[in-house]
Amino acid sequence: DTGVSQNPRHKITKRGQNVTFRCDPISEHNRLYWYRQTLGQGPEFLTYFQNEAQLEKSRLLSDRFSAERPKGSFSTLEIQRTEQGDSAMYLCASTLLGGLDTEAFFGQGTRLTVV
Amino acid sequence: GENVEQHPSTLSVQEGDSAVIKCTYSDSASNYFPWYKQELGKGPQLIIDIRSNVGEKKDQRIAVTLNKTAKHFSLHITETQPEDSAVYFCAAKETSYDKVIFGPGTSLSVIP
Repeated sequence: DTGVSQNPRHKITKRGQNVTFRCDPISEHNRLYWYRQTLGQGPEFLTYFQNEAQLEKSRLLSDRFSAERPKGSFSTLEIQRTEQGDSAMYLCASTLLGGLDTEAFFGQGTRLTVV
Repeated sequence: GENVEQHPSTLSVQEGDSAVIKCTYSDSASNYFPWYKQELGKGPQLIIDIRSNVGEKKDQRIAVTLNKTAKHFSLHITETQPEDSAVYFCAAKETSYDKVIFGPGTSLSVIP
């Protein structure tokens, strides 16, 4: 499968626990994005990477959130001390900077439920 | 920053009829406007996009129009089919920021 892969697909956690999600982008794509989507809303930008460098972080990304992209390949998004308001779909997308086509390809998402 | 508005929020059409979704954006520097379709339990999938140097683009039953002066763009789906039922998102992007800002979505139902 050459698409964007996200794991796990679903995660249920108790409030206060830490969770980590993984995204494997399309192999030749050098830009990777994280978005959050709540029910009935459009995806909201969280952060993005150019290779291994994190270039921008949204104000939505509180100190409890951290993202990494070691070696410029897969990325992880960690949420510490989860709160019920963190319940959402977390989407990852990748694209190739410099190409004429700037389409971002999305993964299936990780649905987080904090109970 | 960029703000994208979209309407209607829900739309029901009879199979075979046309569907139109309209969006506005706030940042005149935005120059790339993709449209995404999201089916239940799946991530958004690009269905068509338009760049600011053109006013209209068509791909089979789907067409997009862009009015840069008014900062409006629209999605037109003709001869709708039940499999067109999904949530559709318009979006805007300004190249130097390189992130896509989404509208709130339109839930389209095509009634057989």
